[in-house]
Amino acid sequence: EAQVTQNPRYLITVTGKKLTVTCSQNMNHEYMSWYRQDPGLGLRQIYYSMNVEVTDKGDVPEGYKVSRKEKRNFPLILESPSPNQTSLYFCASSSMVPTPNYGYTFGSGTRLTVV
Amino acid sequence: AQSVTQPDIHITVSEGASLELRCNYSYGATPYLFWYVQSPGQGLQLLLKYFSGDTLVQGIKGFEAEFKRSQSSFNLRKPSVHWSDAAEYFCAVGMNYGGSQGNLIFGKGTKLSVKP
Repeated sequence: EAQVTQNPRYLITVTGKKLTVTCSQNMNHEYMSWYRQDPGLGLRQIYYSMNVEVTDKGDVPEGYKVSRKEKRNFPLILESPSPNQTSLYFCASSSMVPTPNYGYTFGSGTRLTVV
Repeated sequence: AQSVTQPDIHITVSEGASLELRCNYSYGATPYLFWYVQSPGQGLQLLLKYFSGDTLVQGIKGFEAEFKRSQSSFNLRKPSVHWSDAAEYFCAVGMNYGGSQGNLIFGKGTKLSVKP
C-alpha cells in the first residue's frame, strides 16, 4: 500500500531533550515536506526537500532541522525542543510531475507535547 | 507572493442541504489546485485536484469543485451533505514550475459542522 509513515504518533517530552520524528514513504517520491498544524493557523511548512541532499526552509524553520540522505526518509529533528513547538506535525510526499494520480500524500501525524 | 484564502472559518449546514466552501488564491499563472479533508484526529485526505483540462472536477465522497480563472477561485461543492462530512477542509495551491509541481500553500481551513 502506498503510504507515508510517521513515528511516533504521540510524544511527550521535556524542554531541551533532543528528539527525532521519522518519516518514510514507499512511493519513490522526489518531494517531501514537513508541516505543523496549530489551531487557527492552518498548516505551516517547516522544511521541504525536492530530492536527496536537497532541502530548503519553509515558513517556520526556526528550531528544526531535517536531512534527506535517502529518497524514502525525511526525519524532522528538534535539537532543543521548547513548549512553543507543541503541535501536530505532518509529513507529506509527492511526485514532482503532475501525473493524473499525483498530489501530496500525508502521514497520519505526530502529536508532540513539550513540557 | 502566492496565497490562499478560505474566507469562512466555520460553516454549519443541515444534513441533506447543499454545501459550498469558498477558496480564492493569488498566483500569477495557472496553478495546481487541491482540496483536502481532515476528520477529527486524522491526517489529511485528498478530495480532488485540478491541474489542467475541464474546469469542473469530480472528487471522492460526492464532492466537486470548479476552477474559475477570472475569479481566481476553486470552490468546493456537494449537493447533499451527510453527517459524516463534518470535518475541516483545506484548499491548497501548488505552483507550476514549467510542468513540475512546487510547494503547496494551504489555506487556514474551513470547519464544517452538520446539523441533524
